[in-house]
Amino acid sequence: EAQVTQNPRYLITVTGKKLTVTCSQNMNHEYMSWYRQDPGLGLRQIYYSMNVEVTDKGDVPEGYKVSRKEKRNFPLILESPSPNQTSLYFCASSGTSSSFGELFFGEGSRLTVL
Amino acid sequence: LAKTTQPISMDSYEGQEVNITCSHNNIATNDYITWYQQFPSQGPRFIIQGYKTKVTNEVASLFIPADRKSSTLSLPRVSLSDTAVYYCLVANTGGFKTIFGAGTRLFVKA
Repeated sequence: EAQVTQNPRYLITVTGKKLTVTCSQNMNHEYMSWYRQDPGLGLRQIYYSMNVEVTDKGDVPEGYKVSRKEKRNFPLILESPSPNQTSLYFCASSGTSSSFGELFFGEGSRLTVL
Repeated sequence: LAKTTQPISMDSYEGQEVNITCSHNNIATNDYITWYQQFPSQGPRFIIQGYKTKVTNEVASLFIPADRKSSTLSLPRVSLSDTAVYYCLVANTGGFKTIFGAGTRLFVKA
């Protein structure tokens, strides 16, 4: 089954404790992206990657890092989480085989930073 | 990048046609318009995409006027299960930096 898998789905952590949210897709997609969703603000792009070793900032990259060492994986790293990073995070992917702009989303990771 | 503006919420009744309009005044020549549906605690799901005029698939139609400064998602004969948030996205072929609006919360009543 074609899917985007995120882990963990739920996480409660404390300020300053480094964490990584993993994202993996099995569709051989070139493009991957991370979004955060907050009430009333819709989806805001954090980082995106056009392909392996190619990443770029979205609208809200502060406090986040990403890497794209393999085509299927695109982890989101919070080096020193703060309470304002409490949010619902989504990973998405898209490929040249998809209609342009057709993003496939994961189920989301709800992060709480205390 | 084109910013999008949508109504915050809409109400409808089962069996009615629902039209949700998205404004994107500074859309660029190589931008496409895509609509997504999102249910609570799920990731958004692709509905339909277009560049100009009208596009129709098995679940919706998308109307884009000649100036492309707005687009309208049309859902025929909605049911209770269409209650969701609908997002309009404008994205270009030059890169995949994407801007979603705040979305439109559609509530379908019996």
